[in-house]
Amino acid sequence: QITLEESGPALVKPTQTLTLTCTFSGFSLTTAGVGVGWIRQPPGKALQWLALIYWDDDKRYNSSLKNRLTITKDTSKNQVVLTMTNADPEDTATYFCGHRTPWGSYYDYWGQGTLVTVSS
Amino acid sequence: EIVMTQSPATLSVSPGETATLSCRASQTFSDNLAWYQQKPGQAPRLLIYAASTRATGIPARFSGNGSGTEFTLTISSLQSEDFAVYYCQQYYNWPLGFGPGTKVDMK
Repeated sequence: QITLEESGPALVKPTQTLTLTCTFSGFSLTTAGVGVGWIRQPPGKALQWLALIYWDDDKRYNSSLKNRLTITKDTSKNQVVLTMTNADPEDTATYFCGHRTPWGSYYDYWGQGTLVTVSS
Repeated sequence: EIVMTQSPATLSVSPGETATLSCRASQTFSDNLAWYQQKPGQAPRLLIYAASTRATGIPARFSGNGSGTEFTLTISSLQSEDFAVYYCQQYYNWPLGFGPGTKVDMK
């Protein structure tokens, strides 16, 4: 059974760096084709894809976030970490991590999400 | 970047009726499209991938169709648990992109 769980600070001040951790079970991030991605959703708004890391450490980012994102993995801990620099109130959102299937970059399992508020 | 749009923004349907949701892409691609259902306070749930393949455990009343730039999600004989927001997502190229969503509510 695949599960994912996001963790991180509930409140971040503007200009600070936001660090989120996705802890997963039920699959290995060493299996060919597998990936873990991050998606966010501002309150009352649509989903926005942020980043994806593959089993082979290849990485993809949403270029609209202007190089503020870094995604890494720790396969020994079954964790994927997303860091976002220079936090802004517009980054206030629920952040989800998801399991990318080996057959395409869609997400068949999601964490429950974690709400991050950026405010002074 | 492929921009995804969805219509209508809100669809009011009575239980037992059929709902047809549309998703349009700004560039053409084959079938690299997924549909998700999201209920308030919950994570999205994968319904359809490869434009028309139901995910594991998804009832047969959900069906997907389309290719190129026009895609549809049809929900036949709408059940009370189907009232939710539905998103399409392209995974043809980077960045991955979601549509703005269609809210299906009760008429």
